[in-house]
Amino acid sequence: EIVMTQSPATLSVSPGETATLSCRASQGVRSNLGWYQQKPGQAPRLLIYGVSTRATGIPARFSGSGSGTEFTLTISSLQSEDFAVYYCQQYNNWPRTFGQGTKVEIK
Amino acid sequence: EVQLVESGGGLVQPGGSLRLSCAASGFTFSNYEANWVRQAPGQGLEWVSYITTSGSSTYYADSVKGRFTISRDNAKNSLYLQLNSLRAEDTAVYFCARDGYHYYAFDIWGQGTMVTVSS
Repeated sequence: EIVMTQSPATLSVSPGETATLSCRASQGVRSNLGWYQQKPGQAPRLLIYGVSTRATGIPARFSGSGSGTEFTLTISSLQSEDFAVYYCQQYNNWPRTFGQGTKVEIK
Repeated sequence: EVQLVESGGGLVQPGGSLRLSCAASGFTFSNYEANWVRQAPGQGLEWVSYITTSGSSTYYADSVKGRFTISRDNAKNSLYLQLNSLRAEDTAVYFCARDGYHYYAFDIWGQGTMVTVSS
């Protein structure tokens, strides 16, 4: 099983600043990496797939990068609606696995 | 509107069974692979199971293998998860989620249905 490790667990950021979230895979996942946003009481929402492709309707302030085992989600100019929990997921191998999540909170 | 709507959750005793349903609308359900994902209270996301478009192939997380069964009825635009031999650790919100078309991230999610296993 591929273990996905996200850091940090919690990120405190002021509105308008940039948040950088990290995700590390225990083995290579090629480009089969996605990012999701989840707000309390809601289902997750797909932000990024294929490491760097934004899903339909996702603002350009969300960007993904990385390769192999190290990946990054960058949220530029944080808006109030961006404060949430973010999960990375690999879909290269079975079982598909998620990271434990990074909570982005208001500083 | 593209939508997935789960139903069938509830309170069940340890060792009991439950069948979850997920109704798809707004898209051609038979063209998409599908999954179940769960989230225990206050915890992260755990992928549970996957099924191909025809239903001919399925995959399961080790934690549910042999106890849960995924299936689909394309004529009814529906996805199912049969939960047997339930344990307290199966308590979670269960989401159905669609694989993206020609990519395998989960692009559409239902709102979730709560399963509570307790005596």
